[in-house]
Amino acid sequence: KAGVTQTPRYLIKTRGQQVTLSCSPISGHRSVSWYQQTPGQGLQFLFEYFSETQRNKGNFPGRFSGRQFSNSRSEMNVSTLELGDSALYLCASSLDGREDTEAFFGQGTRLTVV
Amino acid sequence: DQQVKQNSPSLSVQEGRISILNCDYTNSMFDYFLWYKKYPAEGPTFLISISSIKDKNEDGRFTVFLNKSAKHLSLHIVPSQPGDSAVYFCAASPPGNSGGYQKVTFGIGTKLQVIP
Repeated sequence: KAGVTQTPRYLIKTRGQQVTLSCSPISGHRSVSWYQQTPGQGLQFLFEYFSETQRNKGNFPGRFSGRQFSNSRSEMNVSTLELGDSALYLCASSLDGREDTEAFFGQGTRLTVV
Repeated sequence: DQQVKQNSPSLSVQEGRISILNCDYTNSMFDYFLWYKKYPAEGPTFLISISSIKDKNEDGRFTVFLNKSAKHLSLHIVPSQPGDSAVYFCAASPPGNSGGYQKVTFGIGTKLQVIP
């Protein structure tokens, strides 16, 4: 069974640009969560989607947005990039997003903003 | 303000000995706790979890202990193996409710090095 796939793996953007990251969950999984990982802050929750609806949102500015398609694939968009947005962005998929349901992470997209 | 704290950024342990990774949390609403392991260039992988109704959960070499009154949990790895060298993230989740489900809060991680 294929795991969680994130594309691209690496990305370099300049300040002010916008970026779209993609996450394909495990087949059958309907919940996709996004996290930002930075050295000083660890893994921070961005948002969670289930059946094309955002169910939960972390404390990130409105420049961070996402969506989920009918096939459960999800995209995350960051507009007006700032240097501080440089991070590893991870997505995790699970069957239903319940707290006691195991979530499977992708390898992440390493975003560098210059 | 970090609600899940891993105060030791790194830990070195001799192969065969016990590794103890600690985690403290501040939000008393958390009722489910997880540990994830992360190797470089890979996403975190689930290791073990514990519900707040328990104080211990064991899976092979891995045991998680929960002390609710102290808001503290720990992961014990016995015996430690070189392949256990990774970053370990402690995570916590509030109960699922109409406000949403998986909103896991992670600590910043502890890098474990097991020396052969």
